Amino acid sequence: GAVVSQHPSWVICKSGTSVKIECRSLDFQATTMFWYRQFPKQSLMLMATSNEGSKATYEQGVEKDKFLINHASLTLSTLTVTSAHPEDSSFYICMNGGGRSYNSPLHFGNGTRLTVT
Amino acid sequence: KNQVEQSPQSLIILEGKNCTLQCNYTVSPFSNLRWYKQDTGRGPVSLTIMTFSENTKSNGRYTATLDADTKQSSLHITASQLSDSASYICVVSPDRGSTLGRLYFGRGTQLTVWP
Repeated sequence: GAVVSQHPSWVICKSGTSVKIECRSLDFQATTMFWYRQFPKQSLMLMATSNEGSKATYEQGVEKDKFLINHASLTLSTLTVTSAHPEDSSFYICMNGGGRSYNSPLHFGNGTRLTVT
Repeated sequence: KNQVEQSPQSLIILEGKNCTLQCNYTVSPFSNLRWYKQDTGRGPVSLTIMTFSENTKSNGRYTATLDADTKQSSLHITASQLSDSASYICVVSPDRGSTLGRLYFGRGTQLTVWP
């Protein structure tokens, strides 16, 4: 099945810096990539939907200028956390989708643990 | 309001024992329900997926059931192993279109298997 490769698996950065997270679909051209955030003991919360060649769609309450999403190719989507603050510390996960049957398996990346100091 | 509720929140069992995790949902319309296993610090991995017409589905030691009338699902794990220690997440999709739509995630049940 389709595999999603997410990097880095963890990152520690200082407050005010930017961090880029990459998700690659290795054997499936994902026209759509979903980005989630997960706080401890909480469910995955959808942040934005990334569409190849067009602007991402952000969920209510998610700042699009803070969480920049780029989906320039069918196999690569990136999430950049700009001017990170400690409250941005979380587990970020991507999931590929789009172009599949609604009953197809969903494939998640392994997640990125972001810690902002 | 579309919701997915899982119980128990956490569970500790001894190695070799069986356990059952519950998922109740209010998502409507309903398309399918998926169970995922998420190891600490990793992304979720698919266990089963069931559509509204399916009542049960197995994947090795994992057996999921679905009652679309009562909007309940369960995940039964038999002969538990230490490697089963993880969070088990129930995910419900309301869409029946050709493309993936919004998903509703439960908070998960944290299972710990002790030797």
